Amino acid sequence: DTAVSQTPKYLVTQMGNDKSIKCEQNLGHDTMYWYKQDSKKFLKIMFSYNNKELIINETVPNRFSPKSPDKAHLNLHINSLELGDSAVYFCASSDSEVGYTFGSGTRLTVV
Amino acid sequence: GQQLNQSPQSMFIQEGEDVSMNCTSSSIFNTWLWYKQDPGEGPVLLIALYKAGELTSNGRLTAQFGITRKDSFLNISASIPSDVGIYFCAGQRTDSWGKFQFGAGTQVVVTP
Repeated sequence: DTAVSQTPKYLVTQMGNDKSIKCEQNLGHDTMYWYKQDSKKFLKIMFSYNNKELIINETVPNRFSPKSPDKAHLNLHINSLELGDSAVYFCASSDSEVGYTFGSGTRLTVV
Repeated sequence: GQQLNQSPQSMFIQEGEDVSMNCTSSSIFNTWLWYKQDPGEGPVLLIALYKAGELTSNGRLTAQFGITRKDSFLNISASIPSDVGIYFCAGQRTDSWGKFQFGAGTQVVVTP
């Protein structure tokens, strides 16, 4: 199936740990994104990569570091996790202006 | 900060009723998108609008790109139980290619 797939779907971890979320798309899109959805369902862009190059970097703590080994993958690494990092993180990809295709999300819970 | 105002925040309707929701912005947008999010899933694109005044349908869904380019609305006709979910608008400013701002969402609940 053509899709944006991200793993894991659920992630429960303790404060202070470092964790990674992986994302892969097989749609042939050039641009990939990370979005954060908070408890009020508000979606906010974090990062965007176009052909492995960072093009959008919103005001995000530098504990969050995206990495794009190729244009089909965009991973998100988070250092020193804090309680406030608990949220659902969505990976997405797009081709030109047709809008995003989202992954199914990773629910991160920091305890 | 948040520049898109989406309303209403939630709607409780009976099956068969029509649903309307809208988004307004303080900025001029060149693209409006409407998404639906089911529980535990990512948002799924319903309709994309690219020109002021454009009216586009997708089954029972109809969306319009406002003439002022600062608003958009989505209508759902003859709602059914599977219309339950959160509907998001998203807009792209002319000076922010690839960066869509999302509305806060409209939670739709359909009762039989």
